[in-house]
Amino acid sequence: DTEVTQTPKHLVMGMTNKKSLKCEQHMGHRAMYWYKQKAKKPPELMFVYSYEKLSINESVPSRFSPECPNSSLLNLHLHALQPEDSALYLCATRRNSGGTQETQYFGPGTRLLVL
Amino acid sequence: GESVGLHLPTLSVQEGDNSIINCAYSNSASDYFIWYKQESGKGPQFIIDIRSNMDKRQGQRVTVLLNKTVKHLSLQIAATQPGDSAVYFCAENLSGTSYGKLTFGQGTILTVHP
Repeated sequence: DTEVTQTPKHLVMGMTNKKSLKCEQHMGHRAMYWYKQKAKKPPELMFVYSYEKLSINESVPSRFSPECPNSSLLNLHLHALQPEDSALYLCATRRNSGGTQETQYFGPGTRLLVL
Repeated sequence: GESVGLHLPTLSVQEGDNSIINCAYSNSASDYFIWYKQESGKGPQFIIDIRSNMDKRQGQRVTVLLNKTVKHLSLQIAATQPGDSAVYFCAENLSGTSYGKLTFGQGTILTVHP
């Protein structure tokens, strides 16, 4: 099973709202990633969690707050977003067994629209 | 049909043709490369990967070629089908990069006409 699930599939929120995106995997992967993808562009890395600890923050604004409550779940909390934050938000996972030559597997994404 | 990395991001082919999608990667220290397929409204889907100690790897209808001398990666799709229409991204992993950070190419749009 190489499935990564994300909820919700679509989300519309106002600039004063607070919402959360969820990602779940049951492959036993210990690295989890959040990416942002704008239309017709490649994914841009936002955060990396390794063994449930935040390892990389790619200078993401504080209105995005990641959380990894356990090895299967990854959340992205959203607050006071701007219209330019509208994008496809992708979760990815990787086995993280120690080497770097490992595939990242992506979820289907959450399409976010900020009004 | 054949695309050329960043400069020709769109490739149109007829069903049944072979397709070649090219990617010029940036770092000679990269040791692992992945091709992803992304259909409209979906997340990137793993197609095939290759390690830097190889120059060719084959999958079902797909072949990846790696030329480290010129830092070039290509994806060949045999007997292209309408279901292959998507955006294709190459990604490279820099050797020694922590946590498997990938650098993505800009992508190539493949359109297959019936």
